[in-house]
Amino acid sequence: RKEVEQDPGPFNVPEGATVAFNCTYSNSASQSFFWYRQDCRKEPKLLMSVYSSGNEDGRFTAQLNRASQYISLLIRDSKLSDSATYLCVVNSPPGSGGSNYKLTFGKGTLLTVNP
Amino acid sequence: DGGITQSPKYLFRKEGQNVTLSCEQNLNHDAMYWYRQDPGQGLRLIYYSQIVNDFQKGDIAEGYSVSREKKESFPLTVTSAQKNPTAFYLCASRWDTDTQYFGPGTRLTVL
Repeated sequence: RKEVEQDPGPFNVPEGATVAFNCTYSNSASQSFFWYRQDCRKEPKLLMSVYSSGNEDGRFTAQLNRASQYISLLIRDSKLSDSATYLCVVNSPPGSGGSNYKLTFGKGTLLTVNP
Repeated sequence: DGGITQSPKYLFRKEGQNVTLSCEQNLNHDAMYWYRQDPGQGLRLIYYSQIVNDFQKGDIAEGYSVSREKKESFPLTVTSAQKNPTAFYLCASRWDTDTQYFGPGTRLTVL
């Protein structure tokens, strides 16, 4: 299994649709999980941290399933401005190359919201 | 305004030349990182530094060098030994949690 694996997409959805992205990670000792958003030719920007209990921020809901080593991001009522690439990010725990603060990035899932 | 700046935004290099990419932050973050992003690929870690005067190799350090003489600055040199340097280079910094914040990036093209 790759360290962090995401649905490759692309996802093309109409405005107002609900869309879900999935991500799996290989290291069961990972402790921190994030979703970043990256617009075309721009830097990634933090969208949400993912907590064990799941968390919600407006139209965005992130969930973590440690047993299955699975992270999800749900976007409700999609807007045109949600069009971007969504990156699943997982930390690398100690003993797997040094620092506790190395992050591993998935390749991203491209979302296009259409009018 | 606090933030991370990278310069230049676009950089063109002839084969055989070394070039240095600038990364500066005024967030008072201890840790800084350099990543490379190729089309259709995830970010790959080149080098990172958790404190001034200390840095470690990431997953793809060959052909790159860094220095960390000041907390605010973490320049990356792409040497002639890097065989495929054309890419989007991203600098990031971190304070105390795992969350990393990125600069706007430098696009390097080898002519």
